[in-house]
Amino acid sequence: GENVEQHPSTLSVQEGDSAVIKCTYSDSASNYFPWYKQELGKGPQLIIDIRSNVGEKKDQRIAVTLNKTAKHFSLHITETQPEDSAVYFCAASMTAYGGSNYKLTFGKGTLLTVNP
Amino acid sequence: DTEVTQTPKHLVMGMTNKKSLKCEQHMGHRAMYWYKQKAKKPPELMFVYSYEKLSINESVPSRFSPECPNSSLLNLHLHALQPEDSALYLCASSQQLANYGYTFGSGTRLTVV
Repeated sequence: GENVEQHPSTLSVQEGDSAVIKCTYSDSASNYFPWYKQELGKGPQLIIDIRSNVGEKKDQRIAVTLNKTAKHFSLHITETQPEDSAVYFCAASMTAYGGSNYKLTFGKGTLLTVNP
Repeated sequence: DTEVTQTPKHLVMGMTNKKSLKCEQHMGHRAMYWYKQKAKKPPELMFVYSYEKLSINESVPSRFSPECPNSSLLNLHLHALQPEDSALYLCASSQQLANYGYTFGSGTRLTVV
């Protein structure tokens, strides 16, 4: 089955700096890569996603890049703010039903702390 | 309405109790999921429903019993739980099975005493 590795497990930055979280996946059949933000006491919230036919996607201060050859994808947050502090999860899945890979496989999460 | 609503938000139950968790969505999504999340861990898939039928049971113990009464509702019935079952139980939905854009609810924080 799919395996997703996520690094770093904790990340502390100063307000206004950039933050980068990296993930690698094992199954080349995976074609959908979402990122979730989870604040304390809440469920995961989808913040950005990318499909395998796209190399980069940006939404205001958040961007995701995908390297299919190397099987890794990254989340980039620019001009970080204290409200960006949360746990971030990457995930991978194959958006076609068949076998076990259709389901979301999560990385272990990154605790991002933005210091004012 | 772009939300998945879960009730209750918090639940404390004894090991001999029977309780139920409820999940509701009105986005017209036809796939619904139950996840279990322990502290500082990613969510783990438990059950998947597609068009109100159970598609996947990830080898979950029978003390957890899912039910999908209609396309908007998903229940998780709990009976004879163990303290190690204490966790955040998350419901999610997507337009179709294995589709893009899963939406998660805020979860039910379950404590088994």
